[in-house]
Amino acid sequence: AQKVTQAQTEISVVEKEDVTLDCVYETRDTTYYLFWYKQPPSGELVFLIRRNSFDEQNEISGRYSWNFQKSTSSFNFTITASQVVDSAVYFCALSEVPGNQGGKLIFGQGTELSVKP
Amino acid sequence: KAGVTQTPRYLIKTRGQQVTLSCSPISGHRSVSWYQQTPGQGLQFLFEYFSETQRNKGNFPGRFSGRQFSNSRSEMNVSTLELGDSALYLCASSRGRDLLYEQYFGPGTRLTVT
Repeated sequence: AQKVTQAQTEISVVEKEDVTLDCVYETRDTTYYLFWYKQPPSGELVFLIRRNSFDEQNEISGRYSWNFQKSTSSFNFTITASQVVDSAVYFCALSEVPGNQGGKLIFGQGTELSVKP
Repeated sequence: KAGVTQTPRYLIKTRGQQVTLSCSPISGHRSVSWYQQTPGQGLQFLFEYFSETQRNKGNFPGRFSGRQFSNSRSEMNVSTLELGDSALYLCASSRGRDLLYEQYFGPGTRLTVT
């Protein structure tokens, strides 16, 4: 069965600190996608990144970076020099790529990040 | 380009009643997915529609149903409401029928059942 675990329920940091959000996943499939979403207090989920199972290259986008390691089934997310605006709940998600069935994401429980000034 | 819109944004219903929630996808998007978010269970997939056909369904009882119209707008219905149905219901749309296409989420409908 598919499962996503975000062991950190809450993280609190002071502005400008670096912070890493952990994500561990389980799947029996060899082809799958991994995602990170941000949910600010407004409630809307904001897409941050998608990674397919064949692409283990790390990615950097501004202050955000992602480390994908198939050997440990992890897809961790690092925010460098955190800012107050980064405060939100962050979700890691997994999806297999079956036939014509689409749209189903398996989400972790989320990590609530609080960045204090 | 307008984003995904969901109506109503807030809803209060009584146990036993039924409710219909609406989702208008981004123009040109043909896939609509629905998710339920609760503090206890987190984000859970309800169902997904593409070109008016339900192609994937989560583990929810038959009280939860949905449909998609020819203009890709979607509705979900919950009958015989229970207290545990109180949640934020999120809708997401995408251009295509698999996750090669990015999903864009709406702001959600917050349903409270009393």
